Amino acid sequence: EADIYQTPRYLVIGTGKKITLECSQTMGHDKMYWYQQDPGMELHLIHYSYGVNSTEKGDLSSESTVSRIRTEHFPLTLESARPSHTSQYLCASKLPGDGNEQYFGPGTRLTVT
Amino acid sequence: QKEVEQDPGPLSVPEGAIVSLNCTYSNSAFQYFMWYRQYSRKGPELLMYTYSSGNKEDGRFTAQVDKSSKYISLFIRDSQPSDSATYLCASSSGGSYIPTFGRGTSLIVHP
Repeated sequence: EADIYQTPRYLVIGTGKKITLECSQTMGHDKMYWYQQDPGMELHLIHYSYGVNSTEKGDLSSESTVSRIRTEHFPLTLESARPSHTSQYLCASKLPGDGNEQYFGPGTRLTVT
Repeated sequence: QKEVEQDPGPLSVPEGAIVSLNCTYSNSAFQYFMWYRQYSRKGPELLMYTYSSGNKEDGRFTAQVDKSSKYISLFIRDSQPSDSATYLCASSSGGSYIPTFGRGTSLIVHP
């Protein structure tokens, strides 16, 4: 079983606040991902990283930023939260090798009021 | 057209039924196929992973890939109420580390 952690699990915050969603994995995986998912809807890739100091934007335009200073840590930051950012944010990492099996964290459910 | 299409359901079945969940894809380069189970308000959990065509079985679950028709299936035997969840299929091509996900099918197994 994959060990990938996200904090906080739930967050309610006011408009304009800066927030950082934490994601950590203990498996030494190089590749990590952030997805956004609204209830009943599909996953949208917002950022990914193939290793330390490597970050790329995904398919979904996002006002968030990420950093990858350590292999195990991949935080996502919103500089100024807006109600449109209300969603579930899922972090994932990938096993080494050619396959694409991803392991997901439990998610952070963000509500911006 | 999305690269991976999946009927959102819901699919409602009685306990003990055989469940068939399906996806179609359009990208001929896809070689890796995954099925995830996602319970409400949780992260997706990897269920099955297959490479290229063929079948793979794991307990009550069987994943099937037909590359000629670009069709992916997940069969669940002896379905249980605890199988009630959303099932997402995902596919990717060799050399790409970014899978394409379907939007998921909601499954309800009622006692």
